[in-house]
Amino acid sequence: DAKTTQPNSMESNEEEPVHLPCNHSTISGTDYIHWYRQLPSQGPEYVIHGLTSNVNNRMASLAIAEDRKSSTLILHRATLRDAAVYYCILRDWGSARQLTFGSGTQLTVLP
Amino acid sequence: DTGVSQNPRHKITKRGQNVTFRCDPISEHNRLYWYRQTLGQGPEFLTYFQNEAQLEKSRLLSDRFSAERPKGSFSTLEIQRTEQGDSAMYLCASSLDSDLAKNIQYFGAGTRLSVL
Repeated sequence: DAKTTQPNSMESNEEEPVHLPCNHSTISGTDYIHWYRQLPSQGPEYVIHGLTSNVNNRMASLAIAEDRKSSTLILHRATLRDAAVYYCILRDWGSARQLTFGSGTQLTVLP
Repeated sequence: DTGVSQNPRHKITKRGQNVTFRCDPISEHNRLYWYRQTLGQGPEFLTYFQNEAQLEKSRLLSDRFSAERPKGSFSTLEIQRTEQGDSAMYLCASSLDSDLAKNIQYFGAGTRLSVL
């Protein structure tokens, strides 16, 4: 799987938007961009995924650069419950193999 | 169905003892994955099953580790002759083949192993 690069940590104020960046300059044409997050003392949970177009769901939005070499996970209004480690992962289309996690970004939400 | 269930949540053992963890995946999920996570790191892949067949094993899975998934339902992960370096969180996840376009993996809360 192609490698992703994320900042180690970020801070945000509660109820403000958060933009979590991810670089994936070696992404291939069939790689989907997946985001998972891991809340304290829990297993990771799926957040969102996309291929080329920007995507929205109830949890977040995913903005994908035109050249697909970077993407940004957007939390529109951070809450204290959003404090977690966020992982950006590339997945080949149709792959049912394991997820390859990096170190992720530790998001701290300040009240 | 409330999701992937792992038992026990915590296990403390002495070095050299054997331990076994259990994972109950989401009903009808045919794929099951085991990961290990140490403090400050992302989860690392250990092994995965499609139904009862073990399809892939990581180099992290030494001879002391064995995983089974009889009848393609629950799975067990056994560690023999535990070492202090085995101390970690062991995570289980499951997914459904019919949703391959997404292949979302659903994780349990993990079993935290402490080897004294």
